[in-house]
Amino acid sequence: QVQLVQSGAGVKKPGASVKVSCKASGYTFTGYYIHWVRQAPGQGLEWMGWMDPKSGGTRFAQKFRGRLTMTRDTSITTAYMELSRLISDDTAVYYCVKNRYQWNYRDSYDFWGQGTMVIVSS
Amino acid sequence: QSVLTQPPSASGAPGQGVTISCSGSNSNIGSNTVNWYQQVPGTAPKLLIYSNFQRPSGVPDRFSASKSGTSGTLAISGLQSEDEADYYCAAWDDILDGYIFGKGTKVTVL
Repeated sequence: QVQLVQSGAGVKKPGASVKVSCKASGYTFTGYYIHWVRQAPGQGLEWMGWMDPKSGGTRFAQKFRGRLTMTRDTSITTAYMELSRLISDDTAVYYCVKNRYQWNYRDSYDFWGQGTMVIVSS
Repeated sequence: QSVLTQPPSASGAPGQGVTISCSGSNSNIGSNTVNWYQQVPGTAPKLLIYSNFQRPSGVPDRFSASKSGTSGTLAISGLQSEDEADYYCAAWDDILDGYIFGKGTKVTVL
């Protein structure tokens, strides 16, 4: 069965970076884009960007460009999201998600990771 | 700022139905499919509807959806207590070149 298992929660200081992992299993990792979506406490969902696990290509939402990196290790079917220069507004649950259809990043997300809580606090 | 507009709340008695609207524009719903997600508090969102009206395997047929022009609608019939959740509409936006979500609608079963 398809699973996306994320790394654990963490507390970071303002200005620091956070790197969240997303271990995929149960499907062809290189066949489906991985996106990252975050949710601040009590707030709605916010799309951050996508990565093509096959090529490593990425595309980010405007507000994150310059401080967001997405990478992957295909040998262990794991995707990574790293956000730098953290501020308190980055406190959120971060989800990795998988597109429903192959090679279509505009598509819906049929599987979600369990979420990783990142708290930014001094 | 979300460009998909949903009502903040909706409610109904057990067994009744509710509808949730999602208003967008030509650059998102008007040219791409609408998807709906259900999020029970404290859990990850779950895909409820994709490609405007399709239900993934395991989603009860009490949930239905449609799209017309630049708007989408989610309907829940025969409300059950487990339907209490936040519901988000979403679509790709060609101008923003990104995936956008509505702010969510909290459904309460009275």
